[in-house]
Amino acid sequence: EPEVTQTPSHQVTQMGQEVILRCVPISNHLYFYWYRQILGQKVEFLVSFYNNEISEKSEIFDDQFSVERPDGSNFTLKIRSTKLEDSAMYFCASSPLGWGRPGEQYFGPGTRLTVT
Amino acid sequence: AQTVTQSQPEMSVQEAETVTLSCTYDTSESDYYLFWYKQPPSRQMILVIRQEAYKQQNATENRFSVNFQKAAKSFSLKISDSQLGDAAMYFCAYRSSDTGNQFYFGTGTSLTVIP
Repeated sequence: EPEVTQTPSHQVTQMGQEVILRCVPISNHLYFYWYRQILGQKVEFLVSFYNNEISEKSEIFDDQFSVERPDGSNFTLKIRSTKLEDSAMYFCASSPLGWGRPGEQYFGPGTRLTVT
Repeated sequence: AQTVTQSQPEMSVQEAETVTLSCTYDTSESDYYLFWYKQPPSRQMILVIRQEAYKQQNATENRFSVNFQKAAKSFSLKISDSQLGDAAMYFCAYRSSDTGNQFYFGTGTSLTVIP
C-alpha cells in the first residue's frame, strides 16, 4: 500500500540555522499538508497546499516558514531561521481530494526536529 | 476555532478485553467529520475509523466502533477483543465539512495492551 514518506527521521540543528524537511506524498494525491506536534501537546495544523500554492495556513505558519513542491514528487517545509520553540515532530500528510468529502489524510512517520 | 479534548493521556487494557477511549470536541458547526487515528511506535498515523456528523448511525470497523453523541459533542472509540497490535497512541480529530481541510487533533491517548 502506498505510504507518505518523510526524511530525515530526526534532524538536529542550531538556533538560527535553516532547515528543510522533506516529504514524498502518495503519488496520485492532490492536497498536501504539514502539521507539527510539540512534545506533550496537540498535533497542530500548519499549512495546506494545492495546485502549487498555499490553500490554507495557520497562525503558526509565519514568514519563517515556507513550502514548496520543487518537482512532481517532493513536498518540502523550510524553516528559515530556527528557534528553540520550533523543536517538534513535523508530520506531512496528503489526501486525494479536498474539502466537501470526508477525505482521509494519509500521514507520514514524521521528522523530529531538535533545535539546540 | 474548534477544540478537541482527550482527557485520558494513558489507558491500559488486558488482551481480549474491551477498552473505550474518550474524546470530546467543541464546535458551533452542524456538519463536520470526526476521525480516530492510530499511531504505533515509530510509525505513521493511520486512520482507524471516521464518522460523518450528519449520520446518526455509529460507525464500525471490525473490532473498532464509536459512540457518537452529537448533542453532547462526544466521540468515543471502543476497541473490542483487544490485541497486542492495538498498542499505540490514538488521536481523535475533527474536520469541518465546509471551511477547509485542516484537522484539529486532540493530545492523544497512549494505549497499552497487557498480555
